[in-house]
Amino acid sequence: AQSVTQLGSHVSVSEGALVLLRCNYSSSVPPYLFWYVQYPNQGLQLLLKYTSAATLVKGINDFEAEFKKSETSFHLTKPSAHMSDAAEYFCAVRGSGGYQKVTFGTGTKLQVIP
Amino acid sequence: DGGITQSPKYLFRKEGQNVTLSCEQNLNHDAMYWYRQDPGQGLRLIYYSQIVNDFQKGDIAEGYSVSREKKESFPLTVTSAQKNPTAFYLCAGGGAGNQPQHFGDGTRLSIL
Repeated sequence: AQSVTQLGSHVSVSEGALVLLRCNYSSSVPPYLFWYVQYPNQGLQLLLKYTSAATLVKGINDFEAEFKKSETSFHLTKPSAHMSDAAEYFCAVRGSGGYQKVTFGTGTKLQVIP
Repeated sequence: DGGITQSPKYLFRKEGQNVTLSCEQNLNHDAMYWYRQDPGQGLRLIYYSQIVNDFQKGDIAEGYSVSREKKESFPLTVTSAQKNPTAFYLCAGGGAGNQPQHFGDGTRLSIL
């Protein structure tokens, strides 16, 4: 069994401030972890993924995430928020080995204040 | 361009009516998925197919049906048995091994 918890359904930051979106997971097998972004009335776009090659993962648009096994966390960060970052962000987990379905978190809406 | 194409963008259903949402892909993915998205609930898996002519129920399959006659196509039918069909529906493909799923732009279904 696997699950994902995203702390904070809404997060507000000022333009230029640090963005931190939290994700904790549980998985009975080594996980693959993903962060997706969704703009209104659109599908999900991949920001970055963790596949065990490196614990610090860099993605598009200066986003990055760090896999911390001891804390079962995969938090998403960006040093400086831009107005275009306003969107909903989803963390997702899939167990490795054979077919494993993807479990998505409930999402965090990011508001960027000018 | 390669991708997952969903149509229509908006769909309205009358009481007692079945409606079909289209999902086509030209990415050569074996696996395809249908998700339902409701505010504050993330994505919930309705059905998935790992290969042509085979599909499996997801977590919330009741009131829905699918077919997978061609690799490129995975249509979803929302039947009259689905009493609360108003939602945003997302189709995805891929996701084998450590690869992410690719998503279409969704269909928003509402009740008339």
